[in-house]
Amino acid sequence: GEDVEQSLFLSVREGDSSVINCTYTDSSSTYLYWYKQEPGAGLQLLTYIFSNMDMKQDQRLTVLLNKKDKHLSLRIADTQTGDSAIYFCADSPDTGRRALTFGSGTRLQVQP
Amino acid sequence: DVKVTQSSRYLVKRTGEKVFLECVQDMDHENMFWYRQDPGLGLRLIYFSYDVKMKEKGDIPEGYSVSREKKERFSLILESASTNQTSMYLCASRKLAEAFFGQGTRLTVV
Repeated sequence: GEDVEQSLFLSVREGDSSVINCTYTDSSSTYLYWYKQEPGAGLQLLTYIFSNMDMKQDQRLTVLLNKKDKHLSLRIADTQTGDSAIYFCADSPDTGRRALTFGSGTRLQVQP
Repeated sequence: DVKVTQSSRYLVKRTGEKVFLECVQDMDHENMFWYRQDPGLGLRLIYFSYDVKMKEKGDIPEGYSVSREKKERFSLILESASTNQTSMYLCASRKLAEAFFGQGTRLTVV
């Protein structure tokens, strides 16, 4: 079945860049997502990328997609303490009917 | 802004009780989902619905049912709550690419 994998933990210093990586197995994935979850809260949609794109940039966030290797990354520039959270990668194989499949989440810890 | 609202942030129920978790969205989205989130396991799909009165099982439907009588509302039902259903429950709605989540309901079954 479909599988999405992420590393569990990343620690960076404030002001550095963070790079969170994700791999997925479903070659029919149409959209790939990054969500942020702060303690006790729901998931906040950060950004998503369509599978025919290689890169998407949105302010401090850069998403890179290597479709050949089924690898997705999220780069956060100038990481702040407020970026400390769990980041989830997800994929979806079509444009609306199917559910998102999530990775286990990467906990980002930002040290002052 | 899209709003997905779950009726309760925290719930404590007793083993064997019938439990209803309610979710309402205000953006006329066709697709709605229920996930549960457990430490180290990420989000697992329980049920989803792509239209009124339509539902499909997700990866872990056992012990749950759902109801979608109106487009904006998707209810998750625990027919007879058990302690292994203690979890964070997250509702989501989606149209085209973007999927939005509610704030979550932390359910404890004692």
